[in-house]
Amino acid sequence: DTGVSQDPRHKITKRGQNVTFRCDPISEHNRLYWYRQTLGQGPEFLTYFQNEAQLEKSRLLSDRFSAERPKGSFSTLEIQRTEQGDSAMYLCASSLGLGVGGRETQYFGPGTRLLVL
Amino acid sequence: DAKTTQPNSMESNEEEPVHLPCNHSTISGTDYIHWYRQLPSQGPEYVIHGLTSNVNNRMASLAIAEDRKSSTLILHRATLRDAAVYYCILLYSGNTPLVFGKGTRLSVIA
Repeated sequence: DTGVSQDPRHKITKRGQNVTFRCDPISEHNRLYWYRQTLGQGPEFLTYFQNEAQLEKSRLLSDRFSAERPKGSFSTLEIQRTEQGDSAMYLCASSLGLGVGGRETQYFGPGTRLLVL
Repeated sequence: DAKTTQPNSMESNEEEPVHLPCNHSTISGTDYIHWYRQLPSQGPEYVIHGLTSNVNNRMASLAIAEDRKSSTLILHRATLRDAAVYYCILLYSGNTPLVFGKGTRLSVIA
């Protein structure tokens, strides 16, 4: 399977715990995006990377959220001190990022569903 | 971000064509019109995109109004597997993250 993969697919945690999600993009893609989706809503953009550079992080929901892409391949999204409001689906997407802007196609992974108790 | 307006839900009979509308009256000249869909319990999936001319691919057709203030995604023969939420999104060259609305939930009846 050469699509975008995410791990874990499901995570249940207690309030206050830290969680980390991993995303493996399509191998030749240099852009990687993180989105969050709550029930009944469309996905909401959080942050994205061009290779290892994080180009936009102002949409991260709070300073408890952080993301890394250390070698320009896989990425991790960490949520510290989780709250019940963090319960959502966290989606990762990747794209070729050849500077084609409006013509860019993003490929999404299956998501990680987080439940904070 | 340019905004789009879509009906909350639509229903279609299996094997009939489906026309999903999208209004984007504030579209600018450099905005591309993208459609993604999200099947239950899956991540969104790219369907089609266009700028000014109508577009066809194996999944669907995209009809763009002459003034570009609206567009229509056409599924030529709906199947049960097409039941999903369809999102119409404007994307311009200076900003690549996708801005999703609530989309249109398409139900397909056998």
